[in-house]
Amino acid sequence: GAGVSQSPSNKVTEKGKDVELRCDPISGHTALYWYRQSLGQGLEFLIYFQGNSAPDKSGLPSDRFSAERTGGSVSTLTIQRTQQEDSAVYLCASSLDRGNQETQYFGPGTRLLVL
Amino acid sequence: QKEVEQDPGPLSVPEGAIVSLNCTYSNSAFQYFMWYRQYSRKGPELLMYTYSSGNKEDGRFTAQVDKSSKYISLFIRDSQPSDSATYLCAMRSNFGNEKLTFGTGTRLTIIP
Repeated sequence: GAGVSQSPSNKVTEKGKDVELRCDPISGHTALYWYRQSLGQGLEFLIYFQGNSAPDKSGLPSDRFSAERTGGSVSTLTIQRTQQEDSAVYLCASSLDRGNQETQYFGPGTRLLVL
Repeated sequence: QKEVEQDPGPLSVPEGAIVSLNCTYSNSAFQYFMWYRQYSRKGPELLMYTYSSGNKEDGRFTAQVDKSSKYISLFIRDSQPSDSATYLCAMRSNFGNEKLTFGTGTRLTIIP
C-alpha cells in the first residue's frame, strides 16, 4: 500500500521567504510527526499530532515555525521568514496511534535549502 | 551532553564481516529501544524494536539492550553491500506522550 508521501522533494528558497512543506500520512494513521534532520545531527523532533487532540509543539525551534493538520490527515509545516540555518531535511512520519510511537513510518523527506 | 550518544562513523567493513553499532544514553527512564536504517536520500525505516533489557534476533540482525550500563547495540552478521546505510538508534520512556529521542546515526559502508 501507499506509504507516507511528502512534497516537494526539494525546495530552494531565498532568505526571508516563507515555505510550506506537505505531508500525506498513511491512511488510517492517527499520529503524525514532523522532524528536522541536519547534517551531523540526529532527528530533531518538531511537532506531533494525535487525532483531534491539541498538538505537541514543544520541539518547534521558533515562532517562525508552525504546522497544521487538516481533517486528521494531511499536514503542512510552514516556515516563515526562512533563515539559512533552516536548511535541512524535513521528515514526516505517521503511526497507527500514540501507543505505537515506535512503529513510525517515515516519508522520504523534503530537502530545504535557504540561500 | 546529549541524551543519546552515537558514534557518527563513518564505518567501513569488508563484506561478510560482523558489524557492531552502539549507542549510549543518560536517561534511565528510557524503556523502548529502536534501530532505524536510513538509505541515502530516503526516510528512516524501523529495523529492530526492543522493550527493556535483553536481546532480540531477526535474521542477520541482533539488538541488545543493557540498561544497567545504559548501552544498546545492533549486530549485523554476514554483512552485505545492501546493508550500507546510516543506522540510527532511538529510544523513549514509558510515560504518556513521550516522543522518540534519536542518536545522530552511524554511517556504515560494506565493501564488496
